[in-house]
Amino acid sequence: AQSVTQPDIHITVSEGASLELRCNYSYGATPYLFWYVQSPGQGLQLLLKYFSGDTLVQGIKGFEAEFKRSQSSFNLRKPSVHWSDAAEYFCAVARDRGSTLGRLYFGRGTQLTVWP
Amino acid sequence: KAGVTQTPRYLIKTRGQQVTLSCSPISGHRSVSWYQQTPGQGLQFLFEYFSETQRNKGNFPGRFSGRQFSNSRSEMNVSTLELGDSALYLCASSSGQAPSYEQYFGPGTRLTVT
Repeated sequence: AQSVTQPDIHITVSEGASLELRCNYSYGATPYLFWYVQSPGQGLQLLLKYFSGDTLVQGIKGFEAEFKRSQSSFNLRKPSVHWSDAAEYFCAVARDRGSTLGRLYFGRGTQLTVWP
Repeated sequence: KAGVTQTPRYLIKTRGQQVTLSCSPISGHRSVSWYQQTPGQGLQFLFEYFSETQRNKGNFPGRFSGRQFSNSRSEMNVSTLELGDSALYLCASSSGQAPSYEQYFGPGTRLTVT
């Protein structure tokens, strides 16, 4: 079965500092990988995705993520955090089989606090 | 393009009642997935519908059911509500086919069971 681990429940950074949110997954083959962000009381917004190809993917709001097969990781990064980035971030995995693509497995999320 | 819409946004129900939630996907999308989000269990997959057929199902009791209409709109029903069903219910829309597997989420329906 798939599992997604986000080791950090809560991260606090100062505005302007760099950010890295960790995500590890367990799955035999290459999964489809996603990062979502959720603001309080809202749905999830897709930040970026990895399906294949270049292992460094760019997303919206200045975020990027790197897929490392050897480490089963898909960490999210941003060089300079803005106060508006404060939210909860979820890593998600989908299997690469047509009939199960509609099912995402989520990590427990990382709450990001940004100090002014 | 309009995003995913969910109605209602908020619901308060009494234990034992039933509830129906609605989701309208992005135009052209044929897949709708439903998720339950709670502080204790996080985001859990309920089921997915593609072209009016349930294609995937999570580990929820039979009290949770869904359907999809020919226009891809989907409804989720929960019967005999329990206190533990209080949650944010999210639906997500996608094309459901290669190469676009990403899911786009609606704002959710906040269900409170008293």
